[in-house]
Amino acid sequence: SSELTQDPAVSVALGQTVRITCQGDSLRTYYASWYQQKAGQAPLLVIYGENSRPSGIPDRFSGSRSGNTASLTITGAHAEDEADYYCNSRDSSGYFFAFGPGTKVTVL
Amino acid sequence: QLQLQESGPGLVKPSETLSLTCTVSGGSVSSSSFFWGWIRQSPGRGLEWIGHIDYSGSTDYNPSLKSRVTISADTSKNQFSLNLKSVTAADTAIYYCARPILAARYWYFDLWGRGTQVTVSS
Repeated sequence: SSELTQDPAVSVALGQTVRITCQGDSLRTYYASWYQQKAGQAPLLVIYGENSRPSGIPDRFSGSRSGNTASLTITGAHAEDEADYYCNSRDSSGYFFAFGPGTKVTVL
Repeated sequence: QLQLQESGPGLVKPSETLSLTCTVSGGSVSSSSFFWGWIRQSPGRGLEWIGHIDYSGSTDYNPSLKSRVTISADTSKNQFSLNLKSVTAADTAIYYCARPILAARYWYFDLWGRGTQVTVSS
């Protein structure tokens, strides 16, 4: 079983806000990073560290953390935000990478 | 602009060795600033970190794969490679090469190849 857990799917109305969560004990110590993956494409980093965005990622994407839960928030969802979103962090030992199982975001 | 490109056979027979290469363009695998890694993705297992290598050749591997995995680098060709031995159908996946960033409080992959599908079948 994965050290990081995510809800399998969420939906959001166009222009509204959606929060995607990732839970795991390691998140009490380490920050999560978030990836967007569209069909047939490689994952794309959208958030890393406390709340940093790579160049080219819109500012409607933001990250946060509370306790053992990390969150990715999309404020004002666009149709092109429909994708699978994965979290990753260091595992509970701190020595290895762990990925969450992914959340499918549908924009209605 | 740094780019990564995977290459290798798309079909491997059970019990044989899966071998993939990642070619780095726009940067150097011998840079002391970076690591280089492999990740795979399958419907049943999701995204799975395989391992990574640094400029000195030091490696770290997923404990669940460690007995079967070797990652190496060829600085003369600006490439790094993955060997996974004794494959079974469970190793069928899309394999990505990627660049991991290992900061103190957060680890992530900032750059990914397009991925290559590898099927294990006789």
